[in-house]
Amino acid sequence: ELKVEQNPLFLSMQEGKNYTIYCNYSTTSDRLYWYRQDPGKSLESLFVLLSNGAVKQEGRLMASLDTKARLSTLHITAAVHDLSATYFCAVDIQGAQKLVFGQGTRLTINP
Amino acid sequence: DVKVTQSSRYLVKRTGEKVFLECVQDMDHENMFWYRQDPGLGLRLIYFSYDVKMKEKGDIPEGYSVSREKKERFSLILESASTNQTSMYLCASSSWTSGRSTQYFGPGTRLTVL
Repeated sequence: ELKVEQNPLFLSMQEGKNYTIYCNYSTTSDRLYWYRQDPGKSLESLFVLLSNGAVKQEGRLMASLDTKARLSTLHITAAVHDLSATYFCAVDIQGAQKLVFGQGTRLTINP
Repeated sequence: DVKVTQSSRYLVKRTGEKVFLECVQDMDHENMFWYRQDPGLGLRLIYFSYDVKMKEKGDIPEGYSVSREKKERFSLILESASTNQTSMYLCASSSWTSGRSTQYFGPGTRLTVL
């Protein structure tokens, strides 16, 4: 059974700081997704990582995938308040579109 | 832009009632999914469908059924609602033809069962 674990689950940080959210998964997969969810809203796709060593960047967010370590990271650079949200990683089992989600990381960025 | 809509944002039902949650997507996607979201548990897959009239069980199908009579519409049915089915329900759709296979989510239905 595939398990996906994120850490930390809660993260409070100050504007301007850097931090990383980790996503570990237990079974081989080469397709990983990152989503963002604002309070009371649905999930918005951020990144799709499709191969080992994949790196994607959008603004202050950068995601990477290491399939050998079964680890993905979401790095936040010089955080701003607008990035406050809950971030989820999800792993695709064998390309079948059956996503298994992590618990989510609630990120709060304080001025 | 892909648009996934759900019939209700908020729903309150009583124990034992039959509940229908509707999801419609407008991008001709083959794949549709139903998840429930609970605090601390992330999203869990209930059922999914790769095509009209097809359905597959996800990780937590007990107490639920689904219907997909048309490509754009995927319904989740709670045959006899129970209080432990109080949750946020999210529908999603995706396409095999897109290499990235990103799932696009609807706004969610917050269901309360009393």
